[in-house]
Amino acid sequence: AQKVTQAQTEISVVEKEDVTLDCVYETRDTTYYLFWYKQPPSGELVFLIRRNSFDEQNEISGRYSWNFQKSTSSFNFTITASQVVDSAVYFCALSDARNSGGSNYKLTFGKGTLLTVNP
Amino acid sequence: EAQVTQNPRYLITVTGKKLTVTCSQNMNHEYMSWYRQDPGLGLRQIYYSMNVEVTDKGDVPEGYKVSRKEKRNFPLILESPSPNQTSLYFCASSFTSGPQYFGAGTRLSVL
Repeated sequence: AQKVTQAQTEISVVEKEDVTLDCVYETRDTTYYLFWYKQPPSGELVFLIRRNSFDEQNEISGRYSWNFQKSTSSFNFTITASQVVDSAVYFCALSDARNSGGSNYKLTFGKGTLLTVNP
Repeated sequence: EAQVTQNPRYLITVTGKKLTVTCSQNMNHEYMSWYRQDPGLGLRQIYYSMNVEVTDKGDVPEGYKVSRKEKRNFPLILESPSPNQTSLYFCASSFTSGPQYFGAGTRLSVL
């Protein structure tokens, strides 16, 4: 069975600090997707990034960067120079073909990490 | 604007009173899904639909029904709600190989 572990339940930082959110996953499939979603205090879920299992290139988008390492089954998310508006719950999720009847639809979420950025 | 729209956003009801939460997407996505979010349990899938007239159970389908008569709509039906269905519900949609986009959520309280 697939599983996503976000060991950090809560993280608190001061504005402008860099912060890394950890995500470790388990799957027996060789084809899968990894995701990060953001849930701000307003409650909606905002898609941030999707990565497929064949692409281990790190990605940077502004202050956000993602480090995907298959060797350690990790897909970590770093926010550089954090801002108060980054305060949210961040979810890592996995979708694998085995668990989705051959498709890549079913998302298995981690429990989330509550990030608080203080001014 | 591309979006997934859920209604209502907030709902308080009583045990046993049938209710429907609507979900509509304007992106022509084939796939739609319902999740519930509970403290300590995270997000869990209730039902999903691969296309019109094709639906299947997720991880926690008990007490829920869905239908997919049109591509854009995927309502969630609680025939006889119970207090343990008090939760935050999300609808999501995607293309076959794309990421899922979520609605704003429906906060349901069953008294």
